[in-house]
Amino acid sequence: EIVLTQSPGTLSVSPGERATLSCRASQSISSSFLGWYQQKPGQAPRLLIYGGSSRAAGIPARFSGSGSGTDFTLTISRVEPEDFAVYYCQTYAISRTFGQGTKVEIK
Amino acid sequence: EVHLEESGGDLAQPGGSLRLSCAASGFTFSDYAMSWVRQTPGTGLEWVSTISGGGDDASYADSVKGRFTVSRDNSNNTLFLQMNSLRAEDAAIYYCATPDKVFVHWGQGIPVTVSS
Repeated sequence: EIVLTQSPGTLSVSPGERATLSCRASQSISSSFLGWYQQKPGQAPRLLIYGGSSRAAGIPARFSGSGSGTDFTLTISRVEPEDFAVYYCQTYAISRTFGQGTKVEIK
Repeated sequence: EVHLEESGGDLAQPGGSLRLSCAASGFTFSDYAMSWVRQTPGTGLEWVSTISGGGDDASYADSVKGRFTVSRDNSNNTLFLQMNSLRAEDAAIYYCATPDKVFVHWGQGIPVTVSS
């Protein structure tokens, strides 16, 4: 089973700043099998990125995904107030596995 | 617009059973694989099971294999999860989602409590 480790656990940023979230896989995976989700309290997760770097429908361009091998990154170019949430990476390379999440909070 | 709505969540005793349902609308249900994903504060998000569009192929997480059974009724656009031999660690919010690898659409989730 592939284990995904996200860092940091909590990221404190001010609105307008850049946020960089990391997801490290326990073994090399194709970026084609990596996704990112956003979850706000009381809501279901929302797909942001699939295939490592493709934005899902309706997702603003400030969200971007990158990476390869074992290291993947979700970048929010300029954090908006509505972006404060928990973010999860997920792989579907062998099985479907989620990371433990990174909370983006207001600094 | 795609809409998924779970029902059937409740309190069950350890060793007991529950059946979750997920009513789907807004898309051609039989064309898409469907999945169950659960979430707890302790273990986070965990994929539980996936069933193919035709219902003839299903897969399960090791943690539920042999205890949970996924099925679907394509004539009524409904997904099911039969949960038997429930354990305390099965307590979670259960989401139905689609399709099978990356989860584009999610229901609002339904809580399952396992306690004596």
